[in-house]
Amino acid sequence: KAGVTQTPRYLIKTRGQQVTLSCSPISGHRSVSWYQQTPGQGLQFLFEYFSETQRNKGNFPGRFSGRQFSNSRSEMNVSTLELGDSALYLCASSGEGSVNEKLFFGSGTQLSVL
Amino acid sequence: AQSVAQPEDQVNVAEGNPLTVKCTYSVSGNPYLFWYVQYPNRGLQFLLKYITGDNLVKGSYGFEAEFNKSQTSFHLKKPSALVSDSALYFCAVRDIGGGGATNKLIFGTGTLLAVQP
Repeated sequence: KAGVTQTPRYLIKTRGQQVTLSCSPISGHRSVSWYQQTPGQGLQFLFEYFSETQRNKGNFPGRFSGRQFSNSRSEMNVSTLELGDSALYLCASSGEGSVNEKLFFGSGTQLSVL
Repeated sequence: AQSVAQPEDQVNVAEGNPLTVKCTYSVSGNPYLFWYVQYPNRGLQFLLKYITGDNLVKGSYGFEAEFNKSQTSFHLKKPSALVSDSALYFCAVRDIGGGGATNKLIFGTGTLLAVQP
């Protein structure tokens, strides 16, 4: 079974640009979550999608958005990039979302904003 | 609000010695606790979880964790460390504060484990 796939692996953008990151979950998983990882703030929850609906959202500005498609693939978008958006963005998938389910993480997209 | 704390930024241990990575939690209601490991330039990998039942939880790669309700702790342990165990370890708690179904995890700040040969 293929794991969680995130593309691209690396991205370099300049301030003010926008970026779209993609995540393909494990086959059969309907939940996709996104996390931002930085050395200073650690792992921060961005949002979670389940069956194309956002069912949880973290404390990030509106420049951060996401969506999920009918095949459970997900994208996140960051508009008007700022230097502080430089981070490793991790996607995780899971099944139904019961409390004992574990998350399967992709290798992440390393975003650098110059 | 749910939270976890990892009091040590780094733990150093010699190969073959036992290791402990500490985690304490603060939750309202039942705690759903997890340990994940991150190797360089990789995503997180699941190690083990505590939902209910036995306080000693066994996981992947020979790791185990002890749930202690009175001390609100969930320390990760391994009887004999390997150099290949060197990585970043995260404790996490499921955020069920909203009451609905969610996969949201709240992570600790991470502990870098360095195993010396």
